[in-house]
Amino acid sequence: NAGVTQTPKFQVLKTGQSMTLQCAQDMNHNSMYWYRQDPGMGLRLIYYSASEGTTDKGEVPNGYNVSRLNKREFSLRLESAAPSQTSVYFCASSDIQGANYGYTFGSGTRLTVV
Amino acid sequence: DAKTTQPNSMESNEEEPVHLPCNHSTISGTDYIHWYRQLPSQGPEYVIHGLTSNVNNRMASLAIAEDRKSSTLILHRATLRDAAVYYCILRDDNNAGNMLTFGGGTRLMVKP
Repeated sequence: NAGVTQTPKFQVLKTGQSMTLQCAQDMNHNSMYWYRQDPGMGLRLIYYSASEGTTDKGEVPNGYNVSRLNKREFSLRLESAAPSQTSVYFCASSDIQGANYGYTFGSGTRLTVV
Repeated sequence: DAKTTQPNSMESNEEEPVHLPCNHSTISGTDYIHWYRQLPSQGPEYVIHGLTSNVNNRMASLAIAEDRKSSTLILHRATLRDAAVYYCILRDDNNAGNMLTFGGGTRLMVKP
């Protein structure tokens, strides 16, 4: 019953470094999402993938890129990390994009950029 | 997108029922009402959703007003584990890009 798995759980980067956050789901869901959550705030959508082979920008895409590697995996890349990208990153998936379905979230990656 | 209004925080006693309100006066006919909760240091967790009729599941009940301009999430017996931020979110089934958009939510504190 793994659901949505995110790696790593914690990461500290120096300004300008790059890294990729990994996300995998084992529920055969079609849609996957990346959100960020700053301290004391709600979640904001970075990018999403409605189905394998497609990706689209969300509310806050600047500074990020994504890859939908296959149906299971959706990665988020920071090419040149900035302190403003210090946040908790959550990956989520859903079976179908329609509103009559819920999302399943991972446990998050806590990223600090110094 | 139609927006929701929730109290910033609420308190409850353990083992008592909790009624978490949500106002959504500009809701459209194709908006589903979703509830998620986020326990400390965890990702959000789906709780329940509905369109027009009241809904029950193992976690909670959702009571939807007849005019759909408000709804209430009901936890029948609060436990310490229910202390979390609860988000009420509208999702439009007519909007192909209808992502989950999170507001501030209600922080529920449960006292032993």
